[in-house]
Amino acid sequence: QKEVEQDPGPLSVPEGAIVSLNCTYSNSAFQYFMWYRQYSRKGPELLMYTYSSGNKEDGRFTAQVDKSSKYISLFIRDSQPSDSATYLCAAFSGSARQLTFGSGTQLTVLP
Amino acid sequence: NAGVTQTPKFQVLKTGQSMTLQCAQDMNHEYMSWYRQDPGMGLRLIHYSVGAGITDQGEVPNGYNVSRSTTEDFPLRLLSAAPSQTSVYFCATGGVGVNSPLHFGNGTRLTVT
Repeated sequence: QKEVEQDPGPLSVPEGAIVSLNCTYSNSAFQYFMWYRQYSRKGPELLMYTYSSGNKEDGRFTAQVDKSSKYISLFIRDSQPSDSATYLCAAFSGSARQLTFGSGTQLTVLP
Repeated sequence: NAGVTQTPKFQVLKTGQSMTLQCAQDMNHEYMSWYRQDPGMGLRLIHYSVGAGITDQGEVPNGYNVSRSTTEDFPLRLLSAAPSQTSVYFCATGGVGVNSPLHFGNGTRLTVT
């Protein structure tokens, strides 16, 4: 079993929809949680970063972590065609000093 | 400011050939790492380095060697390429915090026939 599991998609939504992307993790030592966005033929880039449980909002994006259920979510409001990309969740344990990635969800926002 | 530069962008090898994937960073970070990305598998850590002269294995190190003689460069060597090493390889540098996130290069697409 992978330490970070992610719904593989692909996910296709109309422009303006609310998108929910989800991951679960199994390692209780994970303390930091991130979402990376990867456009086609490019390297991943950091989108959101959270520490411990709770919500973090940045514009149209909200990252949510529930450590009690080991659940990570990313919500995108008013989705745009430019949001079409692969979204990767990731978790980090300070002791291991390694990022563990989910397998990614491919999102397409249709105009 | 280039960030992380990977060369070559594309490469085709025959089984048994060797090659080196180059990675250079101009961000002055101590930490550098190599990942491979395969469909359905996400990004998997191959090797990483926390500074010049220090390297360690990640999740999938077999078949790959690394060295770190300078802060800027972190080459990945395939000693005897196998079809299972067909993948997209990403080099990354930085940290994991919001002030120093992991910065990735744009990848090397390797095919082993």
